[in-house]
Amino acid sequence: GAVVSQHPSWVICKSGTSVKIECRSLDFQATTMFWYRQFPKQSLMLMATSNEGSKATYEQGVEKDKFLINHASLTLSTLTVTSAHPEDSSFYICSARSVGGVGTQYFGPGTRLTVL
Amino acid sequence: AQSVTQLGSHVSVSEGALVLLRCNYSSSVPPYLFWYVQYPNQGLQLLLKYTTGATLVKGINGFEAEFKKSETSFHLTKPSAHMSDAAEYFCAVSDRGSGGYQKVTFGTGTKLQVIP
Repeated sequence: GAVVSQHPSWVICKSGTSVKIECRSLDFQATTMFWYRQFPKQSLMLMATSNEGSKATYEQGVEKDKFLINHASLTLSTLTVTSAHPEDSSFYICSARSVGGVGTQYFGPGTRLTVL
Repeated sequence: AQSVTQLGSHVSVSEGALVLLRCNYSSSVPPYLFWYVQYPNQGLQLLLKYTTGATLVKGINGFEAEFKKSETSFHLTKPSAHMSDAAEYFCAVSDRGSGGYQKVTFGTGTKLQVIP
């Protein structure tokens, strides 16, 4: 149980294009989903927290207009990197917390974004 | 505010030897504590967690961790290392949340190498 999927797992795009990453909780309902960014050999940095049906809460320093987050249902959240640039290349990981969960986050497998 | 310190970014052990990965935390409130494992190009997998109750927590793959409040520690151990244990391990701390918002802070990770 508690499986989270991400799609795509790897994406290469040209500078200036937008990329959408999907995060789905497959066997549970997730009231809260989290988006992280991980640079090589570093820990996860929380980008934003999204609650179903409401606007995402972004961490300090994260551009909300560049990283658009939508959490339209209890099983799906999307992260759109708009007008991507090479410095946006990174490993993006989502996680989800189940309804009534006591803090445990279940992580997706991650999406490797490479912007040329 | 909360923080996590993982001592040692790299740990090497021989196959069959004891694994000890150190984690100290700082939290102004009783925390939830987690250990996650990450294999290359994958998301994080929950190994074990402490919420309340018994301070010795057993997880998957033979790992366990002990919550020591007096030492503000949550070290991860395994009696006998296996080659498949080679991965990166992250300790994390979470507050207990208010208003549905719960923030998890990750340590910088410890890369475990298992020598045959």
